[in-house]
Amino acid sequence: QVQLQESGPGLVKPSETLSLTCTVSGGSISSYYWSWIRQPAGKGLEWIGRIYTSGSTNYNPSLKSRVTMSVDTSKNQFSLKLSSVTAADTAVYYCARDIPAMVKDYYYYGMDVWGQGTTVTVSS
Amino acid sequence: DIQMTQSPSSLSASVGDRVTITCRASQSISSYLNWYQQKPGKAPKLLIYAASSLQSGVPSRFSGSGSGTDFTLTISSLQPEDFATYYCQQSYSTLPFTFGPGTKVDIK
Repeated sequence: QVQLQESGPGLVKPSETLSLTCTVSGGSISSYYWSWIRQPAGKGLEWIGRIYTSGSTNYNPSLKSRVTMSVDTSKNQFSLKLSSVTAADTAVYYCARDIPAMVKDYYYYGMDVWGQGTTVTVSS
Repeated sequence: DIQMTQSPSSLSASVGDRVTITCRASQSISSYLNWYQQKPGKAPKLLIYAASSLQSGVPSRFSGSGSGTDFTLTISSLQPEDFATYYCQQSYSTLPFTFGPGTKVDIK
């Protein structure tokens, strides 16, 4: 059974870069999309972006200038970097697997496995 | 961006009730609509994908319908473990893959 675990600093200073890693266990990282989603305390979910194991990425346009995602298939890990952070970037950050399913000849994606989430606070 | 709205934002219901949550997209997204359930302090859980396909392991009391811009999540007989917040999410080709604001289902 595939499991995901986020890791990284829980506290980041304003203007610095937030760096998180998601480790995939119980299965291969290959041939899937891997996503990052965040959730400020008491608020809704925001899709940050996703990366395919080939390295191809899709980013949220509102964050695109600050986001970099990468994948290390040898370590079964993928990563998120968010630069120039502010207090507005304080949130629980989740990683998730975005898996396709074929329905009536079309592929539909849904995030079927999630990490437990990690809280990142931006503060000096 | 495609904007997603949900109604109601919250509802109170009793065990055994039939519950319906609506999600609307600001433009047509065909059937590229997912539903997630989130309990406090936990990660979201995929319930429905492609608007009406039940994710493996999800109880059959959950169902989804709709296409284009209007979608519905129905819980046919609410169980104690169903009290949670429900989010819709569009996965159409237009980025970002936005979530709705959520619908909180609590105990009456």
